[in-house]
Amino acid sequence: DGGITQSPKYLFRKEGQNVTLSCEQNLNHDAMYWYRQDPGQGLRLIYYSQIVNDFQKGDIAEGYSVSREKKESFPLTVTSAQKNPTAFYLCASSTGGHNSPLHFGNGTRLTVT
Amino acid sequence: AQSVAQPEDQVNVAEGNPLTVKCTYSVSGNPYLFWYVQYPNRGLQFLLKYITGDNLVKGSYGFEAEFNKSQTSFHLKKPSALVSDSALYFCAVRPGRYGYQKVTFGTGTKLQVIP
Repeated sequence: DGGITQSPKYLFRKEGQNVTLSCEQNLNHDAMYWYRQDPGQGLRLIYYSQIVNDFQKGDIAEGYSVSREKKESFPLTVTSAQKNPTAFYLCASSTGGHNSPLHFGNGTRLTVT
Repeated sequence: AQSVAQPEDQVNVAEGNPLTVKCTYSVSGNPYLFWYVQYPNRGLQFLLKYITGDNLVKGSYGFEAEFNKSQTSFHLKKPSALVSDSALYFCAVRPGRYGYQKVTFGTGTKLQVIP
């Protein structure tokens, strides 16, 4: 079955440590996205990539970094510079067409203490 | 700037009754509108979209949505609610223009269907 796989499902880290969240898709989609979800705030865009080897900052990119070396992979690194990293992180992909819906992974819940 | 408002944090409905989850939007030009559903600790699932044409759009699991341009609304509806419909629902909008266009999500409405 085609889809998006995010791993791990739960992640715990100490403050000051960088952590990388994995996102892999086998839908052959060109565009990939990272969102952060906090209660009552909806989804906020962190980074997006429309094509391999290219990515752009979203609304809340500070303290995060990404890479897009392969079409199917779009890992997100949460750095120690992110002030409030504890959240639910969602990866999504789309064909890139202007009316195409987003396909989401099942998320990674990151807790930083 | 574009925006989406979901005025109700929670909607409660009895099983078998019709349900409506409200959404209004603001965007320049023609809107592309989407509804997604999220079950606990899961990602969002696409339900339906409005791009152009008929104002009543039918989607997955018996859901439909009505586009109203004059009221800038895109309310989600279902004739008969099921307990399994209980979830978090998100409305989203993007401008109907070519090239990359940002998708803006509402803050979500929790639907509780009471047996």
